[in-house]
Amino acid sequence: DQQVKQNSPSLSVQEGRISILNCDYTNSMFDYFLWYKKYPAEGPTFLISISSIKDKNEDGRFTVFLNKSAKHLSLHIVPSQPGDSAVYFCAASAKGGSEKLVFGKGTKLTVNP
Amino acid sequence: DVKVTQSSRYLVKRTGEKVFLECVQDMDHENMFWYRQDPGLGLRLIYFSYDVKMKEKGDIPEGYSVSREKKERFSLILESASTNQTSMYLCASSSTGTAKNIQYFGAGTRLSVL
Repeated sequence: DQQVKQNSPSLSVQEGRISILNCDYTNSMFDYFLWYKKYPAEGPTFLISISSIKDKNEDGRFTVFLNKSAKHLSLHIVPSQPGDSAVYFCAASAKGGSEKLVFGKGTKLTVNP
Repeated sequence: DVKVTQSSRYLVKRTGEKVFLECVQDMDHENMFWYRQDPGLGLRLIYFSYDVKMKEKGDIPEGYSVSREKKERFSLILESASTNQTSMYLCASSSTGTAKNIQYFGAGTRLSVL
């Protein structure tokens, strides 16, 4: 039972264009969402997060949008750069004090020069 | 900056061996985690610890155990390694403070069991 789903295993984008990575969730108790970026042979690094009380959070070239009614979030990268090529994981945590994160399976982004 | 250090980047072990993976964090975080990452499966939680000597099973604890004798150190133990435990193992830590949901990861240990 996958509670966090990233339905696109891969995405290819041209340098300078927008990258949109999508994530869907099923658990209504999730109240905090995070995006991580992972390069090969390295650990994931935290990128950006959003609380369920917001619908948008922006940090430089990265913006996360949350649509609670659709149980959907997306990460926008504008403009995309070749150094953004990595695997992106969506993660969620639930109300109730649990420190655990539930991760999606990841989307591999390739930004072509 | 938070630093999570995993003792080995690469390990090769034989079937049946007892394997220890060590993880140390330097930010006085209360919570520590062990995940494995496999192609197409994402990150799966093996075990989690929210305090010294406290542990909680994750989604795939079978074949693994953990030890947390000191706050900064969290060890993953493969009691009798098997080939299906060949994987990338990732350790993470987090605080129960204001940024409690953000986990910080080590560089990973790629384990091959032959």
